[in-house]
Amino acid sequence: GQNIDQPTEMTATEGAIVQINCTYQTSGFNGLFWYQQHAGEAPTFLSYNVLDGLEEKGRFSSFLSRSKGYSYLLLKELQMKDSASYLCAVKDSNYQLIWGAGTKLIIKP
Amino acid sequence: ETGVTQTPRHLVMGMTNKKSLKCEQHLGHNAMYWYKQSAKKPLELMFVYSLEERVENNSVPSRFSPECPNSSHLFLHLHTLQPEDSALYLCASSPRVADTAYEQYFGPGTRLTVT
Repeated sequence: GQNIDQPTEMTATEGAIVQINCTYQTSGFNGLFWYQQHAGEAPTFLSYNVLDGLEEKGRFSSFLSRSKGYSYLLLKELQMKDSASYLCAVKDSNYQLIWGAGTKLIIKP
Repeated sequence: ETGVTQTPRHLVMGMTNKKSLKCEQHLGHNAMYWYKQSAKKPLELMFVYSLEERVENNSVPSRFSPECPNSSHLFLHLHTLQPEDSALYLCASSPRVADTAYEQYFGPGTRLTVT
């Protein structure tokens, strides 16, 4: 079966750095996505990785290792508004998105 | 504002009611999706439409009936639901279905409670 694993919840301090990990086992691979979802709101796109390596976008970076079936989302200079759920999703060989259950990130002052 | 709107935002219905959820996208996309999101569970893909044609139906019970009259509008008709159907129902769109790089754009969702 297809599976995406990510931690259920993480806590970090304002101004710090946090890394959210995602491991996947899917039928084929056509890219990995990270989305942010604030409570009661729509998921919004953060990043896309299809090749190995690090993609940097402002305070957020995403890393992919296809051989290890592993990705992480790195958030720097954490702000209170970063408190949200972070969803990892992989496009399989049928171009369907397979989703993780999400990681709830709690930022403390 | 993602360019995808959903109505209503909240819905409470009894098990014998019939209701419909509406989704509209203003992005010129050709693919639209219905997802179910339950607490602490992964998003479950329910239906996929490409150019108004249903291309995916992931073993969804017949009490959920989708309709796509044109590429901008998507409906989910609900009837004789069960309490376990209570969840957040998300609509999304993307330029095409079979495309690697394009992300999906989500609406704010309809919070459905079945009593």
